[in-house]
Amino acid sequence: EVQLVESGGGLVQPGGSLRLSCAASGFTFSSYDMNWVRQAPGRGLEWVSYILSSSSTTYYADSVKGRFTIARDNAKNSLYLQMNSLRAEDTAVYYCARGPDVWGKGTTVTVSS
Amino acid sequence: IVMTQTPRSSPVTLGQPASISCRSSQSLVHSDGNTYLSWLQQRPGQPPRLLIYKISNRFSGVPDRFSGSGAGTYFTLKISRVEAEDVGVYYCMQATQFPYTFGQGTKLEIK
Repeated sequence: EVQLVESGGGLVQPGGSLRLSCAASGFTFSSYDMNWVRQAPGRGLEWVSYILSSSSTTYYADSVKGRFTIARDNAKNSLYLQMNSLRAEDTAVYYCARGPDVWGKGTTVTVSS
Repeated sequence: IVMTQTPRSSPVTLGQPASISCRSSQSLVHSDGNTYLSWLQQRPGQPPRLLIYKISNRFSGVPDRFSGSGAGTYFTLKISRVEAEDVGVYYCMQATQFPYTFGQGTKLEIK
């Protein structure tokens, strides 16, 4: 079964850091580009970041550029999102997604003092 | 690319058709000739689920009452006969150009 499982969410103070992880299984992870997408409470979907299958290319939304870093470890079938300088507006459920076709259940990040 | 969905809310009677439109601020035709326009469904409390990719291709396991159409900058998702399990929010999404963008969402509810 194709599956993505996110972890690492939690409560963090403004200005703090958090590292999200996404464990992939059921498919050849190293062959697929991956994304992070987030959804603030009661809001729509917002694409956050993309990484090529080989890690050679990454893209970021303007709202997170310079603060978030996407990475992957194909040997561990894992995707990561390092989030620094967190703000209240980063509060959201963060989804790991393989293209538009496979989504994890999400992990919740709350930025609050 | 800005994605604009209409309507924002759609009350529908069970068994009746429903239609959602999505307009992009520029053409979604990629340099490779494909149009990376997808439709996603998000049921309450659930992650998004892919329904349609590249305008009109139904994803695996999606009932054939869902269909997609369109070209260039205007796209439509149609549900031929709405069922209770179709309640949720529907999003169009473009993956032709970075940053990827989503429509604001259309809430489908039963009358």
